[in-house]
Amino acid sequence: AQKVTQAQTEISVVEKEDVTLDCVYETRDTTYYLFWYKQPPSGELVFLIRRNSFDEQNEISGRYSWNFQKSTSSFNFTITASQVVDSAVYFCALSEANSASKIIFGSGTRLSIRP
Amino acid sequence: SAVISQKPSRDICQRGTSLTIQCQVDSQVTMMFWYRQQPGQSLTLIATANQGSEATYESGFVIDKFPISRPNLTFSTLTVSNMSPEDSSIYLCSVEDRGTDPYEQYFGPGTRLTVT
Repeated sequence: AQKVTQAQTEISVVEKEDVTLDCVYETRDTTYYLFWYKQPPSGELVFLIRRNSFDEQNEISGRYSWNFQKSTSSFNFTITASQVVDSAVYFCALSEANSASKIIFGSGTRLSIRP
Repeated sequence: SAVISQKPSRDICQRGTSLTIQCQVDSQVTMMFWYRQQPGQSLTLIATANQGSEATYESGFVIDKFPISRPNLTFSTLTVSNMSPEDSSIYLCSVEDRGTDPYEQYFGPGTRLTVT
């Protein structure tokens, strides 16, 4: 069965600190996709990244970076030099290749950036 | 990227009534999805809606409670029937954009439903 675990329920850091959000997943498929979404207080869900299981290269986009480790089934997300606007709930998610794009979401990590 | 709109954005409904939520996409998409996000919780897939066929429901969700229509490639509706306070949630429409490589999945702004 597929599952996504985000063990950190809430994280609070001071602005400009670096912060890493953990994500561990379970799947029996060899082909799968991993996602991160951001949900700010306004409620909309913002797509951040999609990664397929054959691409373990780490990704950097501005202050955001993602570390994909198949050996530990983890797909962690780091925000460098955090800003107050980064405050949101972040969801890690998984879809399996044979599940017609059905996405399984983790429980989310609420990130608060204090000025 | 696909732009998705939902109507209504929010509503307060009485127990026992039904509400139909509309999802409109600015481009043709094969697959549309409906998710529910209960207060303080994660997102759970309700069903997958393909044009021209009946929706496929996930475990725990049934057509009588959540009937879905998909009349064309840019539009879908989800009805929440015979509502109870437990149906108070955000309902989100989602589409997969197969015009990008890799595919991206986009979500609508959500419909915030409160049942009293």
